[in-house]
Formats: sequence, structure tokens, C-alpha cells
Amino acid sequence: AQSVTQLDSQVPVFEEAPVELRCNYSSSVSVYLFWYVQYPNQGLQLLLKYLSGSTLVKGINGFEAEFNKSQTSFHLRKPSVHISDTAEYFCAVASNQFYFGTGTSLTVIP
Amino acid sequence: SQTIHQWPATLVQPVGSPLSLECTVEGTSNPNLYWYRQAAGRGLQLLFYSVGIGQISSEVPQNLSASRPQDRQFILSSKKLLLSDSGFYLCVGLQGRYTEAFFGQGTRLTVV
Repeated sequence: AQSVTQLDSQVPVFEEAPVELRCNYSSSVSVYLFWYVQYPNQGLQLLLKYLSGSTLVKGINGFEAEFNKSQTSFHLRKPSVHISDTAEYFCAVASNQFYFGTGTSLTVIP
Repeated sequence: SQTIHQWPATLVQPVGSPLSLECTVEGTSNPNLYWYRQAAGRGLQLLFYSVGIGQISSEVPQNLSASRPQDRQFILSSKKLLLSDSGFYLCVGLQGRYTEAFFGQGTRLTVV
């Protein structure tokens, strides 16, 4: 079975600073990769996804992620965070099934 | 587009009482369906998934069960709730070649 590891459970960062949320998955077979965001008291929303093609994927709200097949990683980045980015972020992998990571709580400090 | 109706949004149940959470899919047929749980301060844990009517796979042992009586209906049940069953329950659908998931709004269950 696939496993998805989000190495940081909590990430505090100052406003306008860059951030990277890390995600690694276990299987090297063909996969689709996703990042979802859950704002406080809301449902999950798709940030971005990698299906094929360019390894650098741009999503909503200025986020981007890079697929690294050799390192089986799909880290999420934003060059300058805003207070409104405070949320729970989930990495997900789809191969023969759909698996979520345990989530990273991003807190943006003013 | 695909949507999932999941209800209720919040639920408070006493220990030992039964549970039935339902999600209904619209806008597609024969999706893969999943039940996830997010306990307080933790990530999403896969509980059950179903690839078709009557087909249920369990990822973790627990006092919960799932059923899929119809193609677009996925039900999570328990005969007797435990305090540890409290959490946020999410129904997720996946269509085609897993290129995109669609979500219910979730149910926040508090067992008292």
C-alpha cells in the first residue's frame, strides 16, 4: 500500500516569509499527486495537482509544487505567505487508491 | 460536475448509541468512494473504501462498518459508539483514473 508522509505537523512562519511544506510518498510507480487545503471550519479545497508533464505545478493563491520522481517528493512552496494562508494542508497520492498525508498545520504570524 | 451530499454536518451522540452517516453522490456513476476520519489534532485516516456496490474494504480495525447499497450511496455505521470515535468524518469520491477527488462537507461527530 502507498504511504504519504508529511514531515512537519506544524509550521509557523512570519507573514511575507517564504514557506515549504514537505511531502514524500512511498511508491515509485506511476502516481498522481495533489495538495489540498482546509481553512478553519471549511471543507477541503484543491490547491494544485500533478498528473503528467512539467514537474513544476502552479496552483491557486500563489502556491506551487515540484514533483521529484527520484526523491518521491512533492513539496509545496509559496514565496511570500499571507495571514489568510493559515490552514491545514494535505498532500495526497492516487495510484491504485487514494491516500492522504497526515496534514501540516500552517500558521502565519503577523 | 460531481458532488457529494453528506449529512448531518454536526452530530452529538452518547457513548453506546448507534451511528449512521450517509453520503450520496450526484453527477457521476460508479465512483470509488472513501470514508476518512480526522481525529482532533491529527490527519485524515482512511477507514473504508468501495469500488462498487456491495464492495467494501477496511483499512483499519475498529467498531465501525461501511456499506454501499447503491452505486451512489455510501454509509458509515456503528452499533455502539465509543468516546474515541469522536472526530471529523469525510466522504470522498474518486472518478475515472483518479485524477481528481470530490468531497462531502464532512460530519463533526462528538461522542459524549
